[in-house]
Amino acid sequence: GQQVMQIPQYQHVQEGEDFTTYCNSSTTLSNIQWYKQRPGGHPVFLIQLVKSGEVKKQKRLTFQFGEAKKNSSLHITATQTTDVGTYFCADQTGANNLFFGTGTRLTVIP
Amino acid sequence: GAGVSQSPRYKVAKRGQDVALRCDPISGHVSLFWYQQALGQGPEFLTYFQNEAQLDKSGLPSDRFFAERPEGSVSTLKIQRTQQEDSAVYLCASSLDPGYYGYTFGSGTRLTVV
Repeated sequence: GQQVMQIPQYQHVQEGEDFTTYCNSSTTLSNIQWYKQRPGGHPVFLIQLVKSGEVKKQKRLTFQFGEAKKNSSLHITATQTTDVGTYFCADQTGANNLFFGTGTRLTVIP
Repeated sequence: GAGVSQSPRYKVAKRGQDVALRCDPISGHVSLFWYQQALGQGPEFLTYFQNEAQLDKSGLPSDRFFAERPEGSVSTLKIQRTQQEDSAVYLCASSLDPGYYGYTFGSGTRLTVV
C-alpha cells in the first residue's frame, strides 16, 4: 500500500534557524498538499502542489515538488515561535481521499 | 458558517456505549470527509460524502462505524458499542472542490472510551 514518510519525525531548532521537512513516497504522488497542525489544534491547509518541479513561496515558507513527483519538501527560513506545530504532507490520491504523511513535529526554542 | 463546526468538542463514553458525533460543514461545500487521528499520528481517512451520497466508506474500521449526511449538509458519525481502541480525535473536513482546493478541517471531537 501507499506509504508517505516524512523526515525528520521531530526537529528542535533555535529561533531564527532554518527548518526543512521532507516528504517521500514509495509511489508517484498525485497532488501534494501541506498542512500545519498546532498542538491541540486541527490541520490547517497551507498549499497545494500539482506540477512536477513546482516551487511555491509563502513569506518565509518555500514548498517544492520533486521532478519525479515522488517527494516534496517544506523549508522555513528564520523560524519563529509561531511556527511551532506538526507539518503534514498529504497526497490527494483521488477526488475522495487525502492520504497524510507521518508528520514532522517542529519545536522552536526562543 | 465561517468554518467547519464539530460537536461535541469532547466526549467520554463508557465501553459499549453508542456515540454520535456531529459535523456542520462550510455552507456550499459539497464534499465532506471524516478522519480519525490517534495521538501522535497523522489523520486517517474514514469516509467521504459528495452532497448526500456516501461515495467512499473504505476507511471505516468496522461495521460499528456508520456515517450519514441525509440532506447534503450536516453529517453525523455514529460509533456503536464503543471500544477502547476507538479513542481518538475525529476530524471532519469539507472542501469546495477537493481536486483544486485544500480541505478545511473542524476542531475535531476528542473521544475517550473508558
